[in-house]
Amino acid sequence: EVQLVQSGAEVKKPGESLKISCKGSGYSFSSYWIGWVRQMPGKGLEWMGIIYPGDSDTRYSPSFQGQVTISADKSISTAYLQWSSLKASDTAMYYCARHLMYDSSGYYNPYFDYWGQGTLVTVSS
Amino acid sequence: QSVLTQPPSVSGAPGQRVTISCTGSSSNIGAGYDVHWYQQLPGTAPKLLIYGNSNRPSGVPDRFSGSKSGTSASLAITGLQAEDEADYYCQSYDSSLVFGTGTKVTVL
Repeated sequence: EVQLVQSGAEVKKPGESLKISCKGSGYSFSSYWIGWVRQMPGKGLEWMGIIYPGDSDTRYSPSFQGQVTISADKSISTAYLQWSSLKASDTAMYYCARHLMYDSSGYYNPYFDYWGQGTLVTVSS
Repeated sequence: QSVLTQPPSVSGAPGQRVTISCTGSSSNIGAGYDVHWYQQLPGTAPKLLIYGNSNRPSGVPDRFSGSKSGTSASLAITGLQAEDEADYYCQSYDSSLVFGTGTKVTVL
């Protein structure tokens, strides 16, 4: 059974650093891209970026490039999302999800098939 | 702001059929990229409901169906049940992965 288990809720102050995790099991972690999705309170889903644990190839949404760092350690089947200096506007639920893609008539079609349970990050002074 | 527009809310009585639209443009759905749908029950993580416009993952009831035409896509729920009350999001591709604005389904 494919499972993605995320680290627990965090409460941080503005300016602090943070690294949250997502551990995969039940499949070959190194062979599938993992993505991160933000959901701000009462809002919709936003794609942040993806990483291929096999070689750590990483792609970021333009909206999040330079704001966060995505990494992975394939030896322990874990992906990470980190901030060097948190802001109050980073308060949100963050989900990791397994990212699949296929080609249909020459078009790249990505989507997420399995999701983690989410990590709530609260940034407040 | 998302490039995929959904109605903020739809509602229906148990047993009824409801549809949720996902309107895009010539740079995403209209360009030929497929549409995928997710269900987010209250307080839980999203779950894949439909992939590749109309395909259901194993375990998803056949009450849920998807379609795509031109620059839009639709999710239909037939035989609406109380447990279908949730937020629904479409997703496609437009230079990067994009989600719809989301639709709250209320069962009256």
